[in-house]
Amino acid sequence: AQSVTQPDIHITVSEGASLELRCNYSYGATPYLFWYVQSPGQGLQLLLKYFSGDTLVQGIKGFEAEFKRSQSSFNLRKPSVHWSDAAEYFCAVGTGGGADGLTFGKGTHLIIQP
Amino acid sequence: GAVVSQHPSWVICKSGTSVKIECRSLDFQATTMFWYRQFPKQSLMLMATSNEGSKATYEQGVEKDKFLINHASLTLSTLTVTSAHPEDSSFYICSAGTTGDHEQYFGPGTRLTVT
Repeated sequence: AQSVTQPDIHITVSEGASLELRCNYSYGATPYLFWYVQSPGQGLQLLLKYFSGDTLVQGIKGFEAEFKRSQSSFNLRKPSVHWSDAAEYFCAVGTGGGADGLTFGKGTHLIIQP
Repeated sequence: GAVVSQHPSWVICKSGTSVKIECRSLDFQATTMFWYRQFPKQSLMLMATSNEGSKATYEQGVEKDKFLINHASLTLSTLTVTSAHPEDSSFYICSAGTTGDHEQYFGPGTRLTVT
């Protein structure tokens, strides 16, 4: 079975500083990887996804993520955070084909300091 | 495109009653729909997978007699929480996908509070 680890429960970053959120996955075959953002009381918004091809993926809101198979990682980055980026971020892995549900990490709570 | 809606967005019910949550794919036909549960400040946990016209497949530890799932058409799946108790209070999120599409499209969620 697949699993996802987000080692950082909380991260505090100053506005304008760079951000990296870590995600490690465990899955025996080619993973399908996702990053979602969730504001309090809201649903999920897809930031970006990796299925195949270029391992550096660009997403919405200036986010990017890099798939590193050798490290089983899919870390999310942003060069300069804005106060509106404060939210909960979830990494998820799917097994592909659309037939199976996603497995989510426990999430990282991002706090932006003014 | 790929919009999924849920209704209601929030519901309060009394302990012992049943509540139904609808999940609809508005602009595509979903061969598979998924139901997730999210407790406060926790992650999403897959509850069950449903395919149109078939019985749902429940994850380990999820009571199928308590959480009834019906996927009657390619655009509608319903989750009925039967004999709800306060511990069933949670955020329920559905997603929908199509065969061969690796992505799932999430609904906005339904907040259930059982008093």
